[in-house]
Amino acid sequence: KAGVTQTPRYLIKTRGQQVTLSCSPISGHRSVSWYQQTPGQGLQFLFEYFSETQRNKGNFPGRFSGRQFSNSRSEMNVSTLELGDSALYLCASSLDGTSSYNEQFFGPGTRLTVL
Amino acid sequence: SQKIEQNSEALNIQEGKTATLTCNYTNYSPAYLQWYRQDPGRGPVFLLLIRENEKEKRKERLKVTFDTTLKQSLFHITASQPADSATYLCALGDNSGYSTLTFGKGTMLLVSP
Repeated sequence: KAGVTQTPRYLIKTRGQQVTLSCSPISGHRSVSWYQQTPGQGLQFLFEYFSETQRNKGNFPGRFSGRQFSNSRSEMNVSTLELGDSALYLCASSLDGTSSYNEQFFGPGTRLTVL
Repeated sequence: SQKIEQNSEALNIQEGKTATLTCNYTNYSPAYLQWYRQDPGRGPVFLLLIRENEKEKRKERLKVTFDTTLKQSLFHITASQPADSATYLCALGDNSGYSTLTFGKGTMLLVSP
């Protein structure tokens, strides 16, 4: 079974631009979560999607948004980029999201650098 | 606010010894706790899950304990190998039904031959 894939792997943008990151979960997984990882803050939860609906959202500004498609693929968008948005963005999928005990399978991440 | 603490300093041990990593939390009542391994430039990889009503879980050379009174989990790697060198993250989840995890910042483990 193919793992979680994320594209692109690396991205360089300038302040004020916007960016869209893509995540394809493991086949059959319906829950997709996004996390931001920085050296200072560690892994921080952005949002979770299940069956095309955002089920939970972390404490991030409205510039961060996402969506999930009918095939469970997900995208996240960051508008008006700031220097502090430079981070590794990780996508994780889990089986059905209805059990609290589902392990999460992470993708390799997208390394975003904002100049 | 919820806080999860893991040793920020790297843990250096010799091959063959047991590595013990600590995860402490405050202002949280987790339903379960997970441990992940993360190698540089890669996403975290799930290792073990332990529920709030479980005291200990084992998987091969790995052992996790969970003390909800002390609000602490210990993660042990026995007979450690240089290939075990990585950053280990603990993550807490609640019983909301969501997959959301709250992560600690991780502890880097370095196993020298």
